[in-house]
Amino acid sequence: EPEVTQTPSHQVTQMGQEVILRCVPISNHLYFYWYRQILGQKVEFLVSFYNNEISEKSEIFDDQFSVERPDGSNFTLKIRSTKLEDSAMYFCASRAGTHTNSPLHFGNGTRLTVT
Amino acid sequence: TQLLEQSPQFLSIQEGENLTVYCNSSSVFSSLQWYRQEPGEGPVLLVTVVTGGEVKKLKRLTFQFGDARKDSSLHITAAQPGDTGLYLCAGANYGQNFVFGPGTRLSVLP
Repeated sequence: EPEVTQTPSHQVTQMGQEVILRCVPISNHLYFYWYRQILGQKVEFLVSFYNNEISEKSEIFDDQFSVERPDGSNFTLKIRSTKLEDSAMYFCASRAGTHTNSPLHFGNGTRLTVT
Repeated sequence: TQLLEQSPQFLSIQEGENLTVYCNSSSVFSSLQWYRQEPGEGPVLLVTVVTGGEVKKLKRLTFQFGDARKDSSLHITAAQPGDTGLYLCAGANYGQNFVFGPGTRLSVLP
């Protein structure tokens, strides 16, 4: 069964450094998402992406964050200058369409640790 | 802002017992999904409910969507240790976004 893949599985970085988290969504899906989950807390929406542009973003997704689909397969999340509070699991998800029966398919996440 | 609440937050039961967990909101959702998440992994979809009052069964799991499409329940019959995990509900608004509840952490003891 097709799946969403994320790399790396774990990223350790120093405060102030830039990180890029990578995702390969399911190939025929059109809608792409990033969520994060701080340890022990709820899954929080960051951003959705469709047709090569951001369609929705949350308050968390400030100007330190950006997303890109550099080619036909990858979907990346960049954090320009990481802060300690950015430490979390970051999940990429994709979705075939936006009709009500179309579920989100999640990757296994990247654990980001900012020191 | 749409919010989903889940109860109970934690649940520890013995193998063979039945349980129900709840997902509630003051907002109406176009659909609601239940996921199970295991440590170090992403959420895995269990079911999507769309119609108010809808009931779906997945083996020993029964999902119900409230008539007003604001709440949902998950009932597990004869729980097994393999059911252990974090159960998340997620509501779809009429846009593209999903709002997640905080989850119910279930532990089924052998």
